[in-house]
Amino acid sequence: EVQVVESGGDLVQPGGSLRLSCAASEFTVSTNYMNWVRQAPGKGLEWISVIYGGGDTYYADSVKGRFTLSRDNSKNTVNLQMNSLRPDDTAVYYCSRSLYDWGRGTLVTVSS
Amino acid sequence: DIVMTQTPLSSPVTLGQPASISCRSSQSLEHSDGTTYLSWLHQRPGQPPRVLIYKISNRFSGVPDRFSGSGAGTDFTLRISRVEAEDVGVYYCLQAAQFPCTFGQGTKLEIK
Repeated sequence: EVQVVESGGDLVQPGGSLRLSCAASEFTVSTNYMNWVRQAPGKGLEWISVIYGGGDTYYADSVKGRFTLSRDNSKNTVNLQMNSLRPDDTAVYYCSRSLYDWGRGTLVTVSS
Repeated sequence: DIVMTQTPLSSPVTLGQPASISCRSSQSLEHSDGTTYLSWLHQRPGQPPRVLIYKISNRFSGVPDRFSGSGAGTDFTLRISRVEAEDVGVYYCLQAAQFPCTFGQGTKLEIK
């Protein structure tokens, strides 16, 4: 069964950094386009980033220049490096294979 | 960015009765490859989203056939032929024709 599992969410202070990981099962991340979508508490869904099989990446304006999406083919994971975090980055972060299969999410809280 | 507008934002429905949700995009969602990348997702309280419909009208694996999608260009509809108790939650349309991918605001389906 295709599965994605996110990890790395935590409480971090404004201006801090955090690295989220998404582990894939029963498929290869390098042959799929892997997305991150977030959901602030009580709010809707916001797409934030994608990495294509060829390695191209795209970002929402809200995270461009602060977040970096990369892939580790040897571990079959994708990683979201989040820098200069702000309180409005507080959300559940979901990893998704091709926007079809979704993980259960990992909570990032940015607060002092 | 493509703006996705859903109506209604709230839909009280009687069990066993039909329901429909509309989604309008600010631009055509037909990609240069000829595919229209419009999906519908469902999110129950406390759960991650799951895909119901992709590419306008294709049901995702395991989705009951009471769910159907239709539309073209900028106007799309999700229909539930007979609402069941497990259908409560929030429904989102999603466009992936152009980056950034964007979601509708969400429609909350509740039982009368």
